Amino acid sequence: GEDVEQSLFLSVREGDSSVINCTYTDSSSTYLYWYKQEPGAGLQLLTYIFSNMDMKQDQRLTVLLNKKDKHLSLRIADTQTGDSAIYFCAETTNTGGFKTIFGAGTRLFVKA
Amino acid sequence: DVKVTQSSRYLVKRTGEKVFLECVQDMDHENMFWYRQDPGLGLRLIYFSYDVKMKEKGDIPEGYSVSREKKERFSLILESASTNQTSMYLCASSLSGVETQYFGPGTRLLVL
Repeated sequence: GEDVEQSLFLSVREGDSSVINCTYTDSSSTYLYWYKQEPGAGLQLLTYIFSNMDMKQDQRLTVLLNKKDKHLSLRIADTQTGDSAIYFCAETTNTGGFKTIFGAGTRLFVKA
Repeated sequence: DVKVTQSSRYLVKRTGEKVFLECVQDMDHENMFWYRQDPGLGLRLIYFSYDVKMKEKGDIPEGYSVSREKKERFSLILESASTNQTSMYLCASSLSGVETQYFGPGTRLLVL
């Protein structure tokens, strides 16, 4: 079945770059997403990439998609303590009808 | 090889007892974690520590405390054990800047 996998945790120092990785199994993905969840809050859509793109950049965020390896990454440049949150990778797939599948989330902890 | 060891594989305690679970890692990792694992709920983060004497609450810290007096050792304390703390407790460690966590064998705790 479809699956989205992420590591549980990443810690970095303030000012460093963070790279959060995600792998998915469904090759019929149309869109892939990164969401951010701060403590006590809901999921906030950070960015998304269409499956025919390789890269998307938005200010400090860079999304890289390797469709051959089914690997998605989110790079945050100059990471700040306010970036500490849980980051969820998600894909929208057309297998068996349109649905969005979420990973379990990667907790990013930024040390001052 | 990274080695993460936990003080006990199985523990049986009575309600109200104070319980100490110890975890030791031998790879000089900055980060250490305590999770509990319950059927159908996956891994849930209780506390983590990113340096000696530093700790951060995870998703379910209530009823638990932690201690990190030395870099290699991270203790989980149940001040007054309750039956709903019957679970499998997993310790893990990781390097700063790296997503990979290394897990100990787990402690299965039964609170009667």
